Amino acid sequence: GIQVEQSPPDLILQEGANSTLRCNFSDSVNNLQWFHQNPWGQLINLFYIPSGTKQNGRLSATTVATERYSLLYISSSQTTDSGVYFCAVLSGYSSASKIIFGSGTRLSIRP
Amino acid sequence: NAGVTQTPKFQVLKTGQSMTLQCAQDMNHEYMSWYRQDPGMGLRLIHYSVGAGITDQGEVPNGYNVSRSTTEDFPLRLLSAAPSQTSVYFCASRAQGNQPQHFGDGTRLSIL
Repeated sequence: GIQVEQSPPDLILQEGANSTLRCNFSDSVNNLQWFHQNPWGQLINLFYIPSGTKQNGRLSATTVATERYSLLYISSSQTTDSGVYFCAVLSGYSSASKIIFGSGTRLSIRP
Repeated sequence: NAGVTQTPKFQVLKTGQSMTLQCAQDMNHEYMSWYRQDPGMGLRLIHYSVGAGITDQGEVPNGYNVSRSTTEDFPLRLLSAAPSQTSVYFCASRAQGNQPQHFGDGTRLSIL
């Protein structure tokens, strides 16, 4: 099955810094989402981005489907950005319901 | 619009007990899924459904049963709880096609 790898596994930054999180996938995808899991465990949908670039405030994401990767950019980090960031992909139509998660990037923003 | 609702939020069981985790969505989504998340790890797919009356296994189905009698509900059953099933369980739904997935807030389950 498709493999999803996220890097780096852990990232510690000072408030105000910028960061780039990466998601590599081993096969073509029809669907890619970025989620933020906050310290309370809730999964917050950040972007639905199977291809192209989207921006929402300080966050933006780019997926280059032909090269099988996606990037999540966080600018001017705030302590509330702390948590774990997951990418999740859906590949193929025969397993249309199977969305596979990467292992996540744990982001810690120091005040 | 409630989205995806999971109950209970917390549960403690003894080994060998059975229980059902409830999941309901009010978005008329065809696809529903159950995941478990163990400490420090990503989410792993347990079972999923592409519509009422249709279910299939995910990556880690052993020890769990599901059914989908209605579009709205997708309960997850533990027939005989084991300590290895201590985890946080998430239910998710999405519309047909390449649509984003929506998650419930999770159920924290501890098996003693």
